Amino acid sequence: DAKTTQPTSMDCAEGRAANLPCNHSTISGNEYVYWYRQIHSQGPQYIIHGLKNNETNEMASLIITEDRKSSTLILPHATLRDTAVYYCIVRVNQNSGGSNYKLTFGKGTLLTVNP
Amino acid sequence: GAGVSQSPRYKVAKRGQDVALRCDPISGHVSLFWYQQALGQGPEFLTYFQNEAQLDKSGLPSDRFFAERPEGSVSTLKIQRTQQEDSAVYLCASSSPYNEQFFGPGTRLTVL
Repeated sequence: DAKTTQPTSMDCAEGRAANLPCNHSTISGNEYVYWYRQIHSQGPQYIIHGLKNNETNEMASLIITEDRKSSTLILPHATLRDTAVYYCIVRVNQNSGGSNYKLTFGKGTLLTVNP
Repeated sequence: GAGVSQSPRYKVAKRGQDVALRCDPISGHVSLFWYQQALGQGPEFLTYFQNEAQLDKSGLPSDRFFAERPEGSVSTLKIQRTQQEDSAVYLCASSSPYNEQFFGPGTRLTVL
């Protein structure tokens, strides 16, 4: 799986949008971009994933550049409960026909939402 | 509905002791994963089961680590002769085919 690069930490004001960048310049054509987050003392939680089109769900939006070498996770209205480490992961999607396989986490970005 | 549960949540062991960590996956999930998370690091893959078959154990750090899932549901991660470097949070995750992984809260192991 391709490696990713994320800032170590970011701050965001409560109620504002949080934009978390991720670089994945060596991503392959069949690799998806996944985002998970880990709130303190909890297990990681799935947020969203995408291939090349922008995606949105009830938690967040994912913007992937046209060349797919970078992406941004957007939390539109950050709350204090969104304070967590956010992990960007690239991997072959399960739907590719391969086995449902392991996630390779980096160190992620610690997002701190301030009141 | 019930998520992935792990027990115990906290375990303190003396160096050299054997420990067993339990994972109850979401009912019906055929895939089960174990990860190890050291302080300040992201989780690292240990091993993967599909039903009762252990398909990948490439992440197990030594032969002191052993995992099983005999009936394709509950899984146990066993660490023999624990060492201080085994201190970490051990995370279990499960998933149904072609879906995202759901993680448990983890077991924090401290080896003294």
